[in-house]
Amino acid sequence: DTGVSQDPRHKITKRGQNVTFRCDPISEHNRLYWYRQTLGQGPEFLTYFQNEAQLEKSRLLSDRFSAERPKGSFSTLEIQRTEQGDSAMYLCASSFSNTEAFFGQGTRLTVV
Amino acid sequence: EDKVVQSPLSLVVHEGDTVTLNCSYEVTNFRSLLWYKQEKKAPTFLFMLTSSGIEKKSGRLSSILDKKELFSILNITATQTGDSAIYLCAVHGSSNTGKLIFGQGTTLQVKP
Repeated sequence: DTGVSQDPRHKITKRGQNVTFRCDPISEHNRLYWYRQTLGQGPEFLTYFQNEAQLEKSRLLSDRFSAERPKGSFSTLEIQRTEQGDSAMYLCASSFSNTEAFFGQGTRLTVV
Repeated sequence: EDKVVQSPLSLVVHEGDTVTLNCSYEVTNFRSLLWYKQEKKAPTFLFMLTSSGIEKKSGRLSSILDKKELFSILNITATQTGDSAIYLCAVHGSSNTGKLIFGQGTTLQVKP
């Protein structure tokens, strides 16, 4: 499978715990995006990488959220001290420059 | 602030019907409009539109963009139950990062 891959697919965590998600983009894609989607809404932009550089972060991304793409390939999104409001689907997408973005299957986070 | 609005929010039709989904947008620096289909998980890419008046077609699906009136439509003819999904419209806006601004989506249910 050469599409965008996300891991895990589902995560249930207790409030206050830290969680980390991983995204492996399509190999030749230089751009990587993280989005968050809640029920009944379209995806909301969180952050963007061009190669290893994080070039834009949404104001939705509080200081409890951090993302990295250390070698310009896979990326991780960490949420510290999770809150119930963090429960959502976290989607990763990749693209080559300004062409269409392809999405992964998402990680569904449930904070209890 | 860049904004994308889709209508209707939900639609129920019977197999064989034709449907038209609407997407209007307000962005500072429009570059392209994209349509995605979302079933259980990942949004899958349908069309990217950059020029007014040029219809893009794929099987029973087609889409067109009007940059003067700032909207796009997605048509599905001879609908099938497999067309049941959320249809998302997204726009590349003022940022040059390629991030997408999504509408809320239209939930289409096709009954047998």
